[in-house]
Amino acid sequence: DTEVTQTPKHLVMGMTNKKSLKCEQHMGHRAMYWYKQKAKKPPELMFVYSYEKLSINESVPSRFSPECPNSSLLNLHLHALQPEDSALYLCASSQVGTGGENTEAFFGQGTRLTVV
Amino acid sequence: AQSVTQLGSHVSVSEGALVLLRCNYSSSVPPYLFWYVQYPNQGLQLLLKYTSAATLVKGINGFEAEFKKSETSFHLTKPSAHMSDAAEYFCAVSPTGTASKLTFGTGTRLQVTL
Repeated sequence: DTEVTQTPKHLVMGMTNKKSLKCEQHMGHRAMYWYKQKAKKPPELMFVYSYEKLSINESVPSRFSPECPNSSLLNLHLHALQPEDSALYLCASSQVGTGGENTEAFFGQGTRLTVV
Repeated sequence: AQSVTQLGSHVSVSEGALVLLRCNYSSSVPPYLFWYVQYPNQGLQLLLKYTSAATLVKGINGFEAEFKKSETSFHLTKPSAHMSDAAEYFCAVSPTGTASKLTFGTGTRLQVTL
């Protein structure tokens, strides 16, 4: 199984709503990531979890709150978002810091988020 | 700091023609280099990666890339384009070989025409 599964595929939410994005992988990877991708732009790293601990937070606003309940799951909790937060949110996973042949990130299909 | 530059935000080729997508990198240490493909409304799929084992790297779907240190380049090629190759292609670099340090280029949209 070399898949990273993200749900939902599409999400429309109001600026006062609270919603969550979910990501799951069963490849035994101990690093998981959230990326944000705006239209016609490359993915931008938001958060990195390593062994279920937050290791990188790229100065993301607090209205985005990540959570890693176990080694297979990664959530992104959303609250009081702005229309400019509308984007494709990508989850990825990888081996932890081994380099060499084990260095690659596997990406999910993404959640297309629209904030109205 | 590492970075990649993709020359040409949009490349158009005829079906059956050679595909050449350019990527130049800047890194203070020997880099790990990647090419990812993204189809519309999809996530990213790894095409190939350079991890210093061999300078010519073969990937999926008939793509390959050659690492040229003297030119700081890692261009992606495919001998014969297919309509299904139409997508966005991203070059990425990691100086340490860890996925957490990936830096993506701005992407090149490949259009394949009949």
